[in-house]
Amino acid sequence: KAGVTQTPRYLIKTRGQQVTLSCSPISGHRSVSWYQQTPGQGLQFLFEYFSETQRNKGNFPGRFSGRQFSNSRSEMNVSTLELGDSALYLCASSAGQPYGYTFGSGTRLTVV
Amino acid sequence: TQLLEQSPQFLSIQEGENLTVYCNSSSVFSSLQWYRQEPGEGPVLLVTVVTGGEVKKLKRLTFQFGDARKDSSLHITAAQPGDTGLYLCAGDGAGNMLTFGGGTRLMVKP
Repeated sequence: KAGVTQTPRYLIKTRGQQVTLSCSPISGHRSVSWYQQTPGQGLQFLFEYFSETQRNKGNFPGRFSGRQFSNSRSEMNVSTLELGDSALYLCASSAGQPYGYTFGSGTRLTVV
Repeated sequence: TQLLEQSPQFLSIQEGENLTVYCNSSSVFSSLQWYRQEPGEGPVLLVTVVTGGEVKKLKRLTFQFGDARKDSSLHITAAQPGDTGLYLCAGDGAGNMLTFGGGTRLMVKP
């Protein structure tokens, strides 16, 4: 079965712009989570959605937001981009615990 | 805030050697997961351990979950160059979110 699909794979944006990243989970998975990965901070939790509702949010500024659609696809948005937002953004879907999470290949965002 | 300390950060060994990676926390997790990540890709789930004291084996990899569900270890026997990668432990606590350790970058030289 198809895995978690993230688009685009690479993105270059300028400071101050906004960006939208997309994630299509594994069919049947209703939980979608987003993580930011940087060399300095490692993998950090952004937010988690289940059935179109945000159930949990990590310690990130309000510039980071997300949503989930009725087909479980999810998007995250970052407004007013800063250089420090350059990172690999990973989406993960899950059928629930303890089954673990399946991650996508990520979107590499570079802010210049 | 739940934290996971992973050690060592870097490990460079020769093919055929054994190694152990540790993951420690002062918090209790409902489950602990180990992932392996290749450059430019997302982490791939290796195993989930749920029960305190649980031991799981995956070919040459052995995973243990501490009795108190606060720590875990990954042991690789007879490492091979194909084992090279970033190994991540992640605790599933409250709120359907994973707390990741800092990762162990393993290089196995032929």
